[in-house]
Amino acid sequence: DQQVKQNSPSLSVQEGRISILNCDYTNSMFDYFLWYKKYPAEGPTFLISISSIKDKNEDGRFTVFLNKSAKHLSLHIVPSQPGDSAVYFCAAANAGGTSYGKLTFGQGTILTVHP
Amino acid sequence: NAGVTQTPKFRVLKTGQSMTLLCAQDMNHEYMYWYRQDPGMGLRLIHYSVGEGTTAKGEVPDGYNVSRLKKQNFLLGLESAAPSQTSVYFCASTGRDYGYTFGSGTRLTVV
Repeated sequence: DQQVKQNSPSLSVQEGRISILNCDYTNSMFDYFLWYKKYPAEGPTFLISISSIKDKNEDGRFTVFLNKSAKHLSLHIVPSQPGDSAVYFCAAANAGGTSYGKLTFGQGTILTVHP
Repeated sequence: NAGVTQTPKFRVLKTGQSMTLLCAQDMNHEYMYWYRQDPGMGLRLIHYSVGEGTTAKGEVPDGYNVSRLKKQNFLLGLESAAPSQTSVYFCASTGRDYGYTFGSGTRLTVV
């Protein structure tokens, strides 16, 4: 039972345009969400996060939007750059419970930004 | 600035062999985790530890054991490797937030 789903295995975008990566979750106990970025042969690195008390969080070119009623979040990258080409993982946690920092990850979306 | 170090980086095992993957962190983090990454499955939690001397099962613990005898080290053991355990294994650590620091991974093939 996949509690966090990234339904698009891949996304291709032109340099300078917007990249939108999507993520859906089913567990209503999740209240903290993160995006990680992964390059080949490296471990994932933390990118941006959002708490369920917010609906938007920005960090430079990266913005995460949360729609709690739809159990949906998205990551917007504007403008996209070739160096953004990587696998992006969505992750969720029940921060209000005794989750001990455990994260549930989605399947990942491969983003390719073409020059 | 080592962060999280995983050894080995690559390993090929025969079915039935055993091995131990080592994870070491130098950030004095309390929480440590072992995940496996498989195509189309994302990262799945195998075992985790909330402090020295403690371990707990994650989502896919069968066939694996762990130990955390020292705060900085988290070991993942495979007692009798199976082809289904062919995967990329990631260790991660964190203080008391969710911004994990991951190691660079161990690619394990069981033939």
